[in-house]
Amino acid sequence: DIQMTQSPSSLSASVGDRVTIDCRASQSISSHLNWYQQKPGKAPNLLIYAASSLQSGVPSRFSGSGSGTEFTLTITSLQPEDFATYYCQQSYGIPYTFGRGTTLEIK
Amino acid sequence: QVQLQESGPGLVKPSGTLSLTCAVSGGSVSRSNWWTWVRQAPGKGLEWIGEIYHSGTTEYNPSLKSRVTMSVDKSKNEFSLTLTSVTAADTAVYYCARIGGITATTGFDSWGQGTLVTVSS
Repeated sequence: DIQMTQSPSSLSASVGDRVTIDCRASQSISSHLNWYQQKPGKAPNLLIYAASSLQSGVPSRFSGSGSGTEFTLTITSLQPEDFATYYCQQSYGIPYTFGRGTTLEIK
Repeated sequence: QVQLQESGPGLVKPSGTLSLTCAVSGGSVSRSNWWTWVRQAPGKGLEWIGEIYHSGTTEYNPSLKSRVTMSVDKSKNEFSLTLTSVTAADTAVYYCARIGGITATTGFDSWGQGTLVTVSS
């Protein structure tokens, strides 16, 4: 299985901050990397697919970059509704695997 | 906009069989999408269970493959998950989701609300 490692596991930030979350794959996955946001008690919500494509309806303050084994989710100008847990997922090979998540908390 | 809704028993006995259905509305299960199941144990991360195409073609997570079966019912516009020989480790919120395109490169773009299944006697 392809292992996905996210860092940090948790992050404290303030409204208006710019934050980055990293995701590393155990082998090259080209650009087959997706990012999800999950709020407590809710289903995950797709933010970014294919490493850098913004899902329809997702605010432009979210962006993704990277290829191969190193990927980054960037959120510019944090809004109160952005405090949640973020997961990366590889869709390069079966089984599709997720990172363990990064919890973004209010400072 | 497609909507998905999981249904099924919330409590299953150990060694029993977990059966869930995902009803699709606002779209057709026969479209060129794969349909998938993901679970999340309490307080834990996300685990992909498997996927099914409307033709009935499936792909399963090897860690669960011996216990998992997925099917699709085009007449009811729904797809289903069966997991046999369950243990407490199978206690989780189970989500159904749509894969946005012909491949998972487009991500899982629509999700059900999730249903908690507890394995306990």
